[in-house]
Amino acid sequence: QVKLQQSGAELVKPGASVKLSCKTSGYTFSTSYMSWFKQIPGQSIEWIGMIYAGDGGTGYNQKFKGKATLTVDTSSSTAYMDLSSLTTEDSAVYFCARPRGLWYFDFWGPGTMVTVSS
Amino acid sequence: DIQMTQSPASLSASLGETVTIECRASEDIYNGLAWYQQKPGKSPQLLIYNANSLHTGVPSRFSGSGSGTQYSLKINSLQSEDVASYFCQQYYDYPWTFGGGTKLELK
Repeated sequence: QVKLQQSGAELVKPGASVKLSCKTSGYTFSTSYMSWFKQIPGQSIEWIGMIYAGDGGTGYNQKFKGKATLTVDTSSSTAYMDLSSLTTEDSAVYFCARPRGLWYFDFWGPGTMVTVSS
Repeated sequence: DIQMTQSPASLSASLGETVTIECRASEDIYNGLAWYQQKPGKSPQLLIYNANSLHTGVPSRFSGSGSGTQYSLKINSLQSEDVASYFCQQYYDYPWTFGGGTKLELK
């Protein structure tokens, strides 16, 4: 069955960077897309961007360009998201999710909580 | 960006009741709409896609309808396990955007 396992919670200092991972199993990662999302607890969900594992091609929400960088490692069926120059506004839960086609999301990871604090 | 306005923001209903959640898009999204359920501390779960198609394994008491800019999610015969937050998502145009959410509680 399809599984998405995300890395553990992170506590990072302002100005630092963090790399989150999303390890997949149960489907053909190398010919699939992966999207990433941000959710501040108690608030709505924002789409950050997506990556095609086949060639590493990416598409970003303009709001997150320069903040998030998406990559993949097809040898381990893992997607990554780098978040840079972190501020307190980046404190949130970050989800990876596999889309049906490109559009809606039928499998989600459990989320990674990122807390930015000095 | 397409703005998704969801209402109500919160809703209190009794077991067995029928509830409806609305989502309005800032422009025509041609049925490119999904609904998700999210329980506290969990990831969202897909309920409905293409505005009115029920995702595999989702109980038939959930249904979606609408067209153009107006869409709705209906839950018939509310069960205790339906207590959750619900979000709509448009996928007609990038960036994909979500409604503000509806928190459903039991009365």
